[in-house]
Amino acid sequence: DAMVIQNPRYQVTQFGKPVTLSCSQTLNHNVMYWYQQKSSQAPKLLFHYYDKDFNNEADTPDNFQSRRPNTSFCFLDIRSPGLGDAAMYLCATSRKGGDTEAFFGQGTRLTVV
Amino acid sequence: SQQGEEDPQALSIQEGENATMNCSYKTSINNLQWYRQNSGRGLVHLILIRSNEREKHSGRLRVTLDTSKKSSSLLITASRAADTASYFCATDAHATGANNLFFGTGTRLTVIP
Repeated sequence: DAMVIQNPRYQVTQFGKPVTLSCSQTLNHNVMYWYQQKSSQAPKLLFHYYDKDFNNEADTPDNFQSRRPNTSFCFLDIRSPGLGDAAMYLCATSRKGGDTEAFFGQGTRLTVV
Repeated sequence: SQQGEEDPQALSIQEGENATMNCSYKTSINNLQWYRQNSGRGLVHLILIRSNEREKHSGRLRVTLDTSKKSSSLLITASRAADTASYFCATDAHATGANNLFFGTGTRLTVIP
């Protein structure tokens, strides 16, 4: 059974048109992450929620925002997608503290046209 | 950047051979983790090694960690065609709170039947 679910799997958006990617989890984990992965590159951490606390990585563009209305759901909002934002976006969860693994969703591949 | 480096970037071996991938990182860590990613999919956790551990085994996987050299290696023994994937190391520098994982550049492994 899928534990971290990302919708949609594929998203096409127009240049400059706001887009929202969604992630849900059935693990009841405290921490949810968003990563951006471009072709043949490492996943790059954009930000994470530690319970309700939002933590932005220093080099994450302002164009990227996130919302976490409850434990189970987290959204990635791209306010004005540019061609350079085309990538795979990965959501992950983990328990807080200690030596814990991250559980990833299958990702949403974003295409900007 | 906390991102690690992996080598080789790509590795092609025959089925049955062993595959070794190396990871170097920059900061002090709490633990180091290895993940696998099939093309176009999310990441799957393979194994976690704590900073006070030197070696760990899981099935056909063997991980070593040398904190003095800030390096780790992943050995896959008796490789199978199904092992074909990209493999990433990820470092976790936080002992408490959210476990931010920073990923290395990855090794793309191809196992030829």
